Amino acid sequence: DAGVIQSPRHEVTEMGQEVTLRCKPISGHNSLFWYRQTMMRGLELLIYFNNNVPIDDSGMPEDRFSAKMPNASFSTLKIQPSEPRDSAVYFCASRSDTGELFFGEGSRLTVL
Amino acid sequence: AQRVTQPEKLLSVFKGAPVELKCNYSYSGSPELFWYVQYSRQRLQLLLRHISRESIKGFTADLNKGETSFHLKKPFAQEEDSAMYYCALEKYAGNQFYFGTGTSLTVIP
Repeated sequence: DAGVIQSPRHEVTEMGQEVTLRCKPISGHNSLFWYRQTMMRGLELLIYFNNNVPIDDSGMPEDRFSAKMPNASFSTLKIQPSEPRDSAVYFCASRSDTGELFFGEGSRLTVL
Repeated sequence: AQRVTQPEKLLSVFKGAPVELKCNYSYSGSPELFWYVQYSRQRLQLLLRHISRESIKGFTADLNKGETSFHLKKPFAQEEDSAMYYCALEKYAGNQFYFGTGTSLTVIP
């Protein structure tokens, strides 16, 4: 298994543009998490899904952020419109039955 | 509300010296606590969890419910321990994982 796969690895975009980040969790993992990593705030939980259903999105900063999980093997995090303060590394993680989180390599977003 | 607090953003120790990375949590229920580590150019990965009560790479962490702490300790730091360390809390039966702001550990040769 290649682990959790995220794309793109790097994205540079201009303010106002739409950004879509993608995640493929490890097969068989029923929970999926999206985190945002910044120097000031560390890893912030944005949203998580259980069995493809969003359970808690209270960490989503504002309406510009949305996340979907149409099936067990794919999730997206969308920012529309993007702003410079959204610049961060976005991580996706899936949770095994033993409770361990497995992280992707992250998507580094820069909004100019 | 801040559920996991790591007071030190940066920590430097000399090789062979003891190291302690602090973590305090706030949660009224019975949490599960973890330490995750991110080495340079590697993915964030689990280092240890309190329920397993094991030592990984010489690191141990004891849950102190009275002080609501879960400090990570190693008696003799090694250069390969240099990394970013995150303390994490999972709410009981909630599947919600909350991480602290992380501590960047540098072990000086």
